[in-house]
Amino acid sequence: QQQVKQSPQSLIVQKGGISIINCAYENTAFDYFPWYQQFPGKGPALLIAIRPDVSEKKEGRFTISFNKSAKQFSLHIMDSQPGDSATYFCAAKAFGNEKLTFGTGTRLTIIP
Amino acid sequence: DSGVTQTPKHLITATGQRVTLRCSPRSGDLSVYWYQQSLDQGLQFLIQYYNGEERAKGNILERFSAQQFPDLHSELNLSSLELGDSALYFCASSVDGTSLYEQYFGPGTRLTVT
Repeated sequence: QQQVKQSPQSLIVQKGGISIINCAYENTAFDYFPWYQQFPGKGPALLIAIRPDVSEKKEGRFTISFNKSAKQFSLHIMDSQPGDSATYFCAAKAFGNEKLTFGTGTRLTIIP
Repeated sequence: DSGVTQTPKHLITATGQRVTLRCSPRSGDLSVYWYQQSLDQGLQFLIQYYNGEERAKGNILERFSAQQFPDLHSELNLSSLELGDSALYFCASSVDGTSLYEQYFGPGTRLTVT
């Protein structure tokens, strides 16, 4: 029940296109859903996060869409750039249980 | 730069040995988390400390232990090392360890056990 399922495992998108990564969860106690970006040899960096009281959050080219009833959330990267090429992890956390449960990661490659 | 520092960056050691990984949280953060990242297991939560006290435990082996010192830096001790312990070990910190505050990750320590 603690799992977060992430798809796809890898994604290739043309420069300027929209990159979409999806995550699904089972644990209804989760109340915080961050996305992390990780470049090779670096630690995960917090990109954007959402709480279940809103259905969408946008920060620049990055948008999280959240569907509470379906227990799904997704990351959209608009106007994808080669510098966005990285591994993206979704995660979830339940109030009172402070560990982050991570998805398996999506390796995103933006091609010119 | 997240403000979380970890040393050393790389560590190569032999099976059966013991190592200590060090983490300094962001200024003002009271909570420290340790995660292990391996190819087969992904990012796994190991343990959390808040203001010197253990708060939560995840999939941490008995051969592993951690502590948080009065100056809030934390150390992760790995003993009787096995080949399967080779992984990236990340430390993260947050203000007070609740869902209200984000976790910020350090650059990690790459451990190679030979």
